[in-house]
Amino acid sequence: AQSVAQPEDQVNVAEGNPLTVKCTYSVSGNPYLFWYVQYPNRGLQFLLKYITGDNLVKGSYGFEAEFNKSQTSFHLKKPSALVSDSALYFCAVRDTLYNFNKFYFGSGTKLNVKP
Amino acid sequence: NAGVTQTPKFQVLKTGQSMTLQCAQDMNHEYMSWYRQDPGMGLRLIHYSVGAGITDQGEVPNGYNVSRSTTEDFPLRLLSAAPSQTSVYFCASRGRANTGELFFGEGSRLTVL
Repeated sequence: AQSVAQPEDQVNVAEGNPLTVKCTYSVSGNPYLFWYVQYPNRGLQFLLKYITGDNLVKGSYGFEAEFNKSQTSFHLKKPSALVSDSALYFCAVRDTLYNFNKFYFGSGTKLNVKP
Repeated sequence: NAGVTQTPKFQVLKTGQSMTLQCAQDMNHEYMSWYRQDPGMGLRLIHYSVGAGITDQGEVPNGYNVSRSTTEDFPLRLLSAAPSQTSVYFCASRGRANTGELFFGEGSRLTVL
């Protein structure tokens, strides 16, 4: 079965410090991986995706993610956190083997950036 | 651009009542889907559609019906609401590109008493 895991329910970081939000995946076939952000009382917004090519993917709002095939990970990173980055972050994988129309989401990680 | 529009934003139902959550998109996307979001469980796929007249089940379809009569609209129907259906519901669409990401509506918060 296709799945993603976000091992941390919450990540706390001080403003200006680097941040990492972790995601590991388990898929059959080539992984199509995504990160989304959800601000309070809003829908999910797309941040970035890995389909193929360079393992370091750059996305919106200064975020980037590193695809690591050997560790089956796709961690979200930002060199310098902002208070406005505080939100709920979801990792997702698209099924590229059994049903291309299905996405599977992690349980989400709440990021708290303190001034 | 409106993107994906969901109505209503909030709804309270009594057990056994029926209702329809509306979803419309103006991006001419073939693919549309419904998810429910529950604490600690992320988003789970309820139903999806790859075009007008075509629908299929996701991970948690029981208790929900869908139809797709037009490209723009994809309503989700609860025929007999149960407290277990208390959740936040999101509609999402995607363009034709196989590598495309999902575009989400702002959500509909449903409480079943």
